[in-house]
Amino acid sequence: QKEVEQNSGPLSVPEGAIASLNCTYSDRGSQSFFWYRQYSGKSPELIMSIYSNGDKEDGRFTAQLNKASQYVSLLIRDSQPSDSATYLCAVNIVTGGGNKLTFGTGTQLKVEL
Amino acid sequence: DTEVTQTPKHLVMGMTNKKSLKCEQHMGHRAMYWYKQKAKKPPELMFVYSYEKLSINESVPSRFSPECPNSSLLNLHLHALQPEDSALYLCASSQDIGLGGYTFGSGTRLTVV
Repeated sequence: QKEVEQNSGPLSVPEGAIASLNCTYSDRGSQSFFWYRQYSGKSPELIMSIYSNGDKEDGRFTAQLNKASQYVSLLIRDSQPSDSATYLCAVNIVTGGGNKLTFGTGTQLKVEL
Repeated sequence: DTEVTQTPKHLVMGMTNKKSLKCEQHMGHRAMYWYKQKAKKPPELMFVYSYEKLSINESVPSRFSPECPNSSLLNLHLHALQPEDSALYLCASSQDIGLGGYTFGSGTRLTVV
């Protein structure tokens, strides 16, 4: 089982719709969870972090965490063409050598006009 | 200053060359990281430095040699690379290991010929 799993997509949504991105992780000891956005040819950009069960909202973005189900999601409201990118879920995995930020394979989001 | 600066942005090197990638941050972060990212794949952790000491080496071949001269600088020395080492090399930093999200630099696009 991979440590962090995401559907690779592409996920296509019309402009103005809600995009829902999902992620599951295997390490029950993980405490820190992040969503990064990566445009083609660019480096990852941190857009959301979440540490407690429940929802966290920031502008058009809402991150949701359910530690019991080992599930993290990202909702993007009022999706815009500029949101078209790959969204990487990242989880801080606790290892004997220290914490490692481990990425899922990413979900490609396409927002269509 | 909230940036991680990487140089050079692009690098083409032969298999017998020696080159270095450089990374600098002035955010007072005490953890710095090297990641490697191949096309359409997530970033893969290579090395972690914490308080200028190597904390994690993800079994990276010895042709990659990291160095942390001080708390703001991180280098990656390259020698006798193979064409399959061509990738985007990303530097990142965080306040401390396992604390907060990582800030990524813009990356060095490396091509080995």
